[in-house]
Amino acid sequence: EAGVVQSPRYKIIEKKQPVAFWCNPISGHNTLYWYLQNLGQGPELLIRYENEEAVDDSQLPKDRFSAERLKGVDSTLKIQPAELGDSAVYLCASSQEGRNTDTQYFGPGTRLTVL
Amino acid sequence: KQEVTQIPAALSVPEGENLVLNCSFTDSAIYNLQWFRQDPGKGLTSLLLIQSSQREQTSGRLNASLDKSSGRSTLYIAASQPGDSATYLCAVINDYKLSFGAGTTVTVRA
Repeated sequence: EAGVVQSPRYKIIEKKQPVAFWCNPISGHNTLYWYLQNLGQGPELLIRYENEEAVDDSQLPKDRFSAERLKGVDSTLKIQPAELGDSAVYLCASSQEGRNTDTQYFGPGTRLTVL
Repeated sequence: KQEVTQIPAALSVPEGENLVLNCSFTDSAIYNLQWFRQDPGKGLTSLLLIQSSQREQTSGRLNASLDKSSGRSTLYIAASQPGDSATYLCAVINDYKLSFGAGTTVTVRA
């Protein structure tokens, strides 16, 4: 069974440029999560989707970050414009139903460097 | 807000020694606790998930205990190997949200 797929794996951009990350969850998983992981810290949730609905985006900085999951399968996270402080690893995860008892499975992440 | 703390931040042991990794959390109203492994430049791999009604979970050389009332969990890795070198993170879930600790970076010396 294929795991969570993310692309690109690495991205280097100049500040003020836009950037987008793509995630394809495990087949059949209804719930998709985007996390931000700063160096030396644990991941922090940015947004959670149940199918195509964003059910928790309280931690997403909406002035520059946006996300979509149009058909309830793959998802895109965008930053526009990027700032130096956005340099981090962006992780995508999925779970079967999003219940509190479900295991979340993580992708390899996209490492973003903003110069 | 849930706060998750992992001590120590880093640990170095000789091969064969048992590893003990600690995790504490401030809000005991959790649904489950999960231990993850993260290798450099990689994503997170789930190792063990303990439901709030359970006290421990075992998988091979790994054993994790949970004391919800005191807000603590411990991950034991028996007979450590160089391949166990990685960062280990614990996370608790409240209201569908995972809260992570910063992790313990383990180095097992051959």
